[in-house]
Amino acid sequence: SQQGEEDPQALSIQEGENATMNCSYKTSINNLQWYRQNSGRGLVHLILIRSNEREKHSGRLRVTLDTSKKSSSLLITASRAADTASYFCATALGNTDKLIFGTGTRLQVFP
Amino acid sequence: EPEVTQTPSHQVTQMGQEVILRCVPISNHLYFYWYRQILGQKVEFLVSFYNNEISEKSEIFDDQFSVERPDGSNFTLKIRSTKLEDSAMYFCASSEIGGIYEQYFGPGTRLTVT
Repeated sequence: SQQGEEDPQALSIQEGENATMNCSYKTSINNLQWYRQNSGRGLVHLILIRSNEREKHSGRLRVTLDTSKKSSSLLITASRAADTASYFCATALGNTDKLIFGTGTRLQVFP
Repeated sequence: EPEVTQTPSHQVTQMGQEVILRCVPISNHLYFYWYRQILGQKVEFLVSFYNNEISEKSEIFDDQFSVERPDGSNFTLKIRSTKLEDSAMYFCASSEIGGIYEQYFGPGTRLTVT
């Protein structure tokens, strides 16, 4: 697998349901960041979780990190149609400033 | 809330022409980046810039590319002789303190090379 692979590739849910997206990576990281991208638009930073953290919350977002499994999950609770977007995880390795992006999950929330 | 801005939003150019993409990072940030996203593909790192010099660059960032911070606010990416395969969305990002902090992205410049 590549550094930063999300699954599922696509997810369709109804408004009000929860959406869970997963990210797996290969090498040790300094932190992992989640971004949202609306179609053809810029990347919006959602949340950063550091390698020594296990869980973080921000509004309706909950991110977990399991460094032993090299995986992270993003949970969006009580989804809204406006949450429709692609969601990417990006890892920051310890010896570099660059972010390595995953393949993304396309989330569709139906009203 | 401070944000990264980029101009132009869309640039169309002919193969072989030079283009300059402009970015204004968040004012108190010290680290600057360029990434690109070819349509339907992953976001890829191009270059990072700190203290007026390149700190890291990817294999993509060859001699055709250069970056500059011409003044205290702008950060530019120049492509000297564009190729068809340079067509992509180019994102500028900035960070307060390198890779250990959040990177905030601009809205992107869509570059179309014809």
